Amino acid sequence: EVQLVESGGGLVKPGGSLRLSCAASGFTFSSYSMNWVRQAPGKGLEWVSSISSSSSYIYYADSVKGRFTISRDNAKNSLYLQMNSLRAEDTAVYYCARDSADSCPPDYWGQGTLVTVSS
Amino acid sequence: AIRMTQSPSSLSASTGDRVTITCRASQGISSYLAWYQQKPGKAPKLLIYAASTLQSGVPSRFSGSGSGTDFTLTISCLQSEDFATYYCQQYYSYPRTFGQGTKLEIK
Repeated sequence: EVQLVESGGGLVKPGGSLRLSCAASGFTFSSYSMNWVRQAPGKGLEWVSSISSSSSYIYYADSVKGRFTISRDNAKNSLYLQMNSLRAEDTAVYYCARDSADSCPPDYWGQGTLVTVSS
Repeated sequence: AIRMTQSPSSLSASTGDRVTITCRASQGISSYLAWYQQKPGKAPKLLIYAASTLQSGVPSRFSGSGSGTDFTLTISCLQSEDFATYYCQQYYSYPRTFGQGTKLEIK
């Protein structure tokens, strides 16, 4: 069974940093591109970042470019999102999601982890 | 970035109704369009990809159509478990943008 479990969320002050993790199991993690998608309270979905299976290709939303860094450790079956210079508008539930195949949309999603940026 | 516009933003319907949600892309995306269903407090669930291909395990009352810039999601006979928020997403190019969502409510 495919499982994605996010962790690392919490309360952080504006300008602070946080590192999210996503532990993957039930599939060959190293074969799949992965994504982070967020959802602000009461709002819609916003794609944040994607990373290819071998980390060769990385993409970011303009809203986080230069502040967030996506990475993965295929030996540990884990996906990460390093978030720096956090702003109030980064407050959201952050989901990790697996692409179903190359050039295909995410088919499995984690349960999400809440990041709250507030003083 | 490609802008995805869904309509309507909200929709009231009854069990057994047929409903259609539309999604328009600001530029052509071929058939690189997915539809998701999201219930409160839960992660999104993939319903349809490649504009019209049903994800495994999704009931056949869900269908999708379209290509280029205009797409539709149709639910042919609403069931109680279908009341949720629906999102389209283009994966033609990065950034992979979502529509703003359509909230389907019980009339």
